[in-house]
Amino acid sequence: DIQMTQSPSSLSASVGDRVTITCRASRSISNYLNWFQQKPGKAPKSLIYAASILQSGVPPRFSGGGSGADFTLTISSLHPEDFATYYCQQSYSTPYTFGQGTKLEIK
Amino acid sequence: QVQLQESGPGLVKPSGTLSLTCVVSGGSISSNNWWTWVRQPPGKGLEWVGEVFQSGSTNYNPSLKNRLTISMDKSKNQFSLKLTSVAAADTAVYYCTRVEQSGMDVWGQGTTVTVS
Repeated sequence: DIQMTQSPSSLSASVGDRVTITCRASRSISNYLNWFQQKPGKAPKSLIYAASILQSGVPPRFSGGGSGADFTLTISSLHPEDFATYYCQQSYSTPYTFGQGTKLEIK
Repeated sequence: QVQLQESGPGLVKPSGTLSLTCVVSGGSISSNNWWTWVRQPPGKGLEWVGEVFQSGSTNYNPSLKNRLTISMDKSKNQFSLKLTSVAAADTAVYYCTRVEQSGMDVWGQGTTVTVS
């Protein structure tokens, strides 16, 4: 199985801050990398697929980058509704594994 | 727009069988998509369970070994998960999702299953 490791596991930030979450795969996955946002008690929401393509309706303050084994999710200026847990997921080979999550909290 | 709705028993006894159904509305399950199950134990992260294609082809998480079956019923526009010999570690919120070229773009609201 491909292991996905996110860092940091948790992050405190303020509204307006720029934050970056990283995701590392245990081997190259090309650009088969997806990002999800999950709020408490809710289903995950797809933000980005193919490493850098925003899902329809996702604000442009979200951006994704990277290829191979190293990827990033950046939020350019935090809004109050962005405080949530973020997961990366590889869709290169089954089982399609997720990172352990990054909890983004209000400072 | 496509919507997914999970259903099934909320409580299953240890060593029993967990059976869940995901009804697809607003679209056809026969479309060129993979239909997937993802689960999330309480307070933990997401785990990919497995998927079924409109042809009936399946992929399963090896961690679930031979306990898992995912199938679809095109006449009812739904797909299902069956997990046998369940234990407390199978307690989770189970989500069904659609996989498009754009990834897992549609999710059900999730259904909580407790093994006890």
